[in-house]
Amino acid sequence: SAVISQKPSRDICQRGTSLTIQCQVDSQVTMMFWYRQQPGQSLTLIATANQGSEATYESGFVIDKFPISRPNLTFSTLTVSNMSPEDSSIYLCSGTGYSNPDTDTQYFGPGTRLTVL
Amino acid sequence: ILNVEQSPQSLHVQEGDSTNFTCSFPSSNFYALHWYRWETAKSPEALFVMTLNGDEKKKGRISATLNTKEGYSYLYIKGSQPEDSATYLCACITGTASKLTFGTGTRLQVTL
Repeated sequence: SAVISQKPSRDICQRGTSLTIQCQVDSQVTMMFWYRQQPGQSLTLIATANQGSEATYESGFVIDKFPISRPNLTFSTLTVSNMSPEDSSIYLCSGTGYSNPDTDTQYFGPGTRLTVL
Repeated sequence: ILNVEQSPQSLHVQEGDSTNFTCSFPSSNFYALHWYRWETAKSPEALFVMTLNGDEKKKGRISATLNTKEGYSYLYIKGSQPEDSATYLCACITGTASKLTFGTGTRLQVTL
């Protein structure tokens, strides 16, 4: 199993500013992901964080708005740039292991609760 | 766009009641179904990963079944306890994308 921590756990930010969320895994994982849950909505995948290369973004999400880094197998960051109130969400990172990313358990961090005023 | 639906949206039961909820997903190109339990301010906790039609899995008082031909999974909780109060999420993987598509969850509240 893997234990995933995130910092910060919550934040209140002003519109137009940026926030960087850190995700740390206690063991090496093959794949890391970033999700968002807007109020009343399902968890939605933002992107797959690739080690040492650009993240792979889902439809509707772009690198300029959500730059992601993954310098090694256990750490990743997500930046929410030029924030607006619509970015108020819970942001979660997750990781999955080496054998089969489809059927392996995907472990999640506790989330970062972001409020943009 | 993959559509994963969960019902009911919320559920309120008494301690000791047994309950169940449903996850519906497209049956074509199905690969795996994941169930999670998510308490407020905590990490979503993985309950089950299911892949085969007819799969049944059990963890304590919680069990799940899978029907890939008709595209649904049931989660059962036997003898609900207040600590079972949480949001239960299902997520589906189809094709070769290795990406989880989540439903909106069923929020369960168990009272004494």
